[in-house]
Amino acid sequence: AQSVTQLDSHVSVSEGTPVLLRCNYSSSYSPSLFWYVQHPNKGLQLLLKYTSAATLVKGINGFEAEFKKSETSFHLTKPSAHMSDAAEYFCVVSRWGSASKIIFGSGTRLSIRP
Amino acid sequence: EAGVVQSPRYKIIEKKQPVAFWCNPISGHNTLYWYLQNLGQGPELLIRYENEEAVDDSQLPKDRFSAERLKGVDSTLKIQPAELGDSAVYLCASSPGQDSSTDTQYFGPGTRLTVL
Repeated sequence: AQSVTQLDSHVSVSEGTPVLLRCNYSSSYSPSLFWYVQHPNKGLQLLLKYTSAATLVKGINGFEAEFKKSETSFHLTKPSAHMSDAAEYFCVVSRWGSASKIIFGSGTRLSIRP
Repeated sequence: EAGVVQSPRYKIIEKKQPVAFWCNPISGHNTLYWYLQNLGQGPELLIRYENEEAVDDSQLPKDRFSAERLKGVDSTLKIQPAELGDSAVYLCASSPGQDSSTDTQYFGPGTRLTVL
């Protein structure tokens, strides 16, 4: 069985400070993991993905995430928040095959304070 | 490159009425997905197509929902009859299809359905 848990429904940080959005997953098999971002009135867009290669994954707009199998985590980080980062972020776990599954987390809303 | 196109963007109907949503994926993308997104929640997969074949429709409520992807390009999702609880955003996405487990999905803007 697969599941994904985003530990914070809302995160608020000041502009210029680090961002940490937490994601834990559960999977019976080696999963693929993604982070997508959804800006208001815009479609979901891929930030980055882990597909069993390097455990530290770099994405767009300065975001990165580290796959930690021992902790079953895939947390999203950014060293310095920008006002344009304010959006909804979704962690996603997927596995295709005879029992294909793709599961989105419930989302974390990121707010940036000036 | 044109993105995933969905229409209509908004739809308001009365309960028990039928409704249909249309999706045109990115040219050349073999895999097409329909999702339902309730307010404050993540998208939930309804159905996944690889070309014309629905390879995963386990989460599609088949008593009232139906979907088709004729010729492996455009797709239509239908609800008949609609219920109040169907009010949500319906998202369409597509991916190249070389490896669905790792493919990046490209999402359309969604159709916001309100059932009165």
